[in-house]
Amino acid sequence: QVQLKESGPGLVQPSQTLSLTCTVSGFSLTSYSVHWVRQHSGKSLEWMGRMWSDGDTSYNSAFTSRLSISRDTSKSQVFLKMNSLQTEDTGTYYCARNLGGRFDYWGQGVMVTVSS
Amino acid sequence: DIVMTQSPFSLAVSEGEMVTINCKSSQSLLSSGNQKNYLAWYQQKPGQSPKLLIYYASTRQSGVPDRFIGSGSGTDFTLTISDVQAEDLADYYCLQHYSYPLTFGSGTKLEIK
Repeated sequence: QVQLKESGPGLVQPSQTLSLTCTVSGFSLTSYSVHWVRQHSGKSLEWMGRMWSDGDTSYNSAFTSRLSISRDTSKSQVFLKMNSLQTEDTGTYYCARNLGGRFDYWGQGVMVTVSS
Repeated sequence: DIVMTQSPFSLAVSEGEMVTINCKSSQSLLSSGNQKNYLAWYQQKPGQSPKLLIYYASTRQSGVPDRFIGSGSGTDFTLTISDVQAEDLADYYCLQHYSYPLTFGSGTKLEIK
């Protein structure tokens, strides 16, 4: 069945770089796009960016040049890297499969705290 | 960017009652090409990731109970939950997937009296 699972450090120091991995199973990264969505505690959801099935990427301009998404199709993994982290980047980070624009499957999420 | 305005912020109902949640987009989500509205609804239970309920404004995702009904077109959309159950306690979000960046509504917290 379709599964996505995020992994990465729970604690990152301010100004450092966040690196997260989304490992997928049950579908191919060359057939579906995978997106990253962030949620601040108790707040709404924010679309961050996407990895297209053809390997192309696009990002929310709110993250300007801080964000980078890449993949390793042989390992069925999609990576998120975001630099210059600040306390306001604290939240839960989800990867989700996209089908026709909507997210049909989500990972469990990984909680990231930015603190010294 | 398309702004999604969702209301109410929260509501509390008793089991068996009906609730409506509204979502208004700053521009039309109706595609002239296929006449589909690119609006989805999600349910997020405490401690869980969001779950897709409705897409194309009114198409129920497989396995979603038929008491969840999506309606609306253009810029105004509604999620109706009839015969609310205790298990429906959750936050509900709308998502426009008409254009990038994809944007969500601010959420509605449903509480059961």
